[in-house]
Amino acid sequence: SQQGEEDPQALSIQEGENATMNCSYKTSINNLQWYRQNSGRGLVHLILIRSNEREKHSGRLRVTLDTSKKSSSLLITASRAADTASYFCATVFGNEKLTFGTGTRLTIIP
Amino acid sequence: NAGVTQTPKFRVLKTGQSMTLLCAQDMNHEYMYWYRQDPGMGLRLIHYSVGEGTTAKGEVPDGYNVSRLKKQNFLLGLESAAPSQTSVYFCASSYQGLGEFFGPGTRLTVL
Repeated sequence: SQQGEEDPQALSIQEGENATMNCSYKTSINNLQWYRQNSGRGLVHLILIRSNEREKHSGRLRVTLDTSKKSSSLLITASRAADTASYFCATVFGNEKLTFGTGTRLTIIP
Repeated sequence: NAGVTQTPKFRVLKTGQSMTLLCAQDMNHEYMYWYRQDPGMGLRLIHYSVGEGTTAKGEVPDGYNVSRLKKQNFLLGLESAAPSQTSVYFCASSYQGLGEFFGPGTRLTVL
């Protein structure tokens, strides 16, 4: 069964707006990772946040982690048409394998 | 540096046929994984390997076998394909689980 669950399942915003996606998970983790998948392609690793970190930035991406609530959020600022994709969170416990959520489908309207 | 490659890209099988999917990585990663992705289901782990000669079951291992004879290759086998195995299969590799690199996927249809 999926460890992570993204919310919302689908999100449409205007180009230039910010997009926020949330991920909730069930058990303790070592780290949480976010991935992007363009239609028909493999997943691309975006960012990793460790369990002892609360916030991390990478370019226009900002990830937060709240281990007490077992939740994470991914913020994409100043969205672009090229950000249209599905976004997945994945949790890691034990450093061996990831457990993926079902994803958020993000559509950026030009 | 090709990253993670998968062959074939597409395949159509009849029920009961067998096939092997090949995954290769040139990043010297110890960890390799096979996932399947179905609509609305996200990615589900089939089998994985943490080193040459080792394999372990993931979330949905039934009907699949794997082998990791060489560090750079991870093979996924279907001995007797079933329509329920129609899916897109992704291979991935990582350095100790710290971010996975994915292949482009194999789209398999079982009739």
